[in-house]
Amino acid sequence: GAVVSQHPSRVICKSGTSVKIECRSLDFQATTMFWYRQFPKQSLMLMATSNEGSKATYEQGVEKDKFLINHASLTLSTLTVTSAHPEDSSFYICSARQAPGEQYFGPGTRLTVT
Amino acid sequence: EDKVVQSPLSLVVHEGDTVTLNCSYEVTNFRSLLWYKQEKKAPTFLFMLTSSGIEKKSGRLSSILDKKELSSILNITATQTGDSAIYLCAVEAFRAGNNRKLIWGLGTSLAVNP
Repeated sequence: GAVVSQHPSRVICKSGTSVKIECRSLDFQATTMFWYRQFPKQSLMLMATSNEGSKATYEQGVEKDKFLINHASLTLSTLTVTSAHPEDSSFYICSARQAPGEQYFGPGTRLTVT
Repeated sequence: EDKVVQSPLSLVVHEGDTVTLNCSYEVTNFRSLLWYKQEKKAPTFLFMLTSSGIEKKSGRLSSILDKKELSSILNITATQTGDSAIYLCAVEAFRAGNNRKLIWGLGTSLAVNP
């Protein structure tokens, strides 16, 4: 159990375009989902905490207007990178919390902005 | 400021060796400590520790929390090449409004040579 999927797994887009990444909890309901960003050889950086039916809580330094998060249902959260630039190229990972403390991660999305 | 420190940052061993990875933390309102294994994609959950002195085991992996020393260790016995990965430690803390936050360490990169 506790499977989280992400789509797409890999995306290449042109600078200035927007990209949407989906995160789904497949076999459980997740009231809270998390979005992370990871640069090569670095640890996970929490971007925002997404609660179903309410606005996401963004970490300091993360632009809300650039990284739009929507958590419309208990099994789906989306991250939209708006007006993407090459510096937004990164590995984006979502996680969903099934029970207090345990987080299960999606497989990640590799975004490359050209 | 909350922080989680892992050591060593990297480690190279031979198959069959036993390794001990360390995680120390300074976090307000500690709730739990989690260990994850990250290979090429997103992290996979290993252990969640909330009580001091109680060892958790899963096959050749084991972990224990010491709340007095504000630290945890992850042991891997009889290492195999498949254990090569980055091992991440994260501490979950209570935050205002019944929220929780994960603070991540930088990880220990383990390479097991045949």
